[in-house]
Amino acid sequence: ETGVTQTPRHLVMGMTNKKSLKCEQHLGHNAMYWYKQSAKKPLELMFVYSLEERVENNSVPSRFSPECPNSSHLFLHLHTLQPEDSALYLCASSQDEDPWMNTEAFFGQGTRLTVV
Amino acid sequence: GQQVMQIPQYQHVQEGEDFTTYCNSSTTLSNIQWYKQRPGGHPVFLIQLVKSGEVKKQKRLTFQFGEAKKNSSLHITATQTTDVGTYFCAGLPDSGAGSYQLTFGKGTKLSVIP
Repeated sequence: ETGVTQTPRHLVMGMTNKKSLKCEQHLGHNAMYWYKQSAKKPLELMFVYSLEERVENNSVPSRFSPECPNSSHLFLHLHTLQPEDSALYLCASSQDEDPWMNTEAFFGQGTRLTVV
Repeated sequence: GQQVMQIPQYQHVQEGEDFTTYCNSSTTLSNIQWYKQRPGGHPVFLIQLVKSGEVKKQKRLTFQFGEAKKNSSLHITATQTTDVGTYFCAGLPDSGAGSYQLTFGKGTKLSVIP
């Protein structure tokens, strides 16, 4: 266990469905991330939250909507997805620190999403 | 924006052979990190390098950080089947906004033939 828990582990959804991915970290970190991992683009950064404020959105389509209600929880709300959105969605957390400190990212086990 | 290039994308080696993956950043880094992702798993942190020219070893793994803090390498001596997986480097920018924003390379997928 890495201290970062993602649910569900697997999700199959239709293109008209609405679903949410959940991430929870128990490490006391102040930054959380959503990554998309597919065969074409390994570890593609989607969103970054630092101190519960979104600070990075790498031109992600609006059908992906993140939410960070507190520093321990992160959600990714999904609606009207496309089949090409099928991928492994990874959540990570880290401590935004002086780079000389440990700033490594701890990843959850991911949600394997299939859009049909 | 910052880019981190990693080569090779794939590497197949015979068990016992050495393996090296290289990472190059378009900008100077404050630190560089290496991760390993086993098949079906998630990335797991291996090590962090901070100092210019730094070299660190973990058993058969040797990590180097370039003098200019823009490149790094991971070398595995005498690979074993347990080394199979994808190795990612990730760089933390040296300055400017987004100091928490690790930029990952695309990874090198290592296959070890028994």
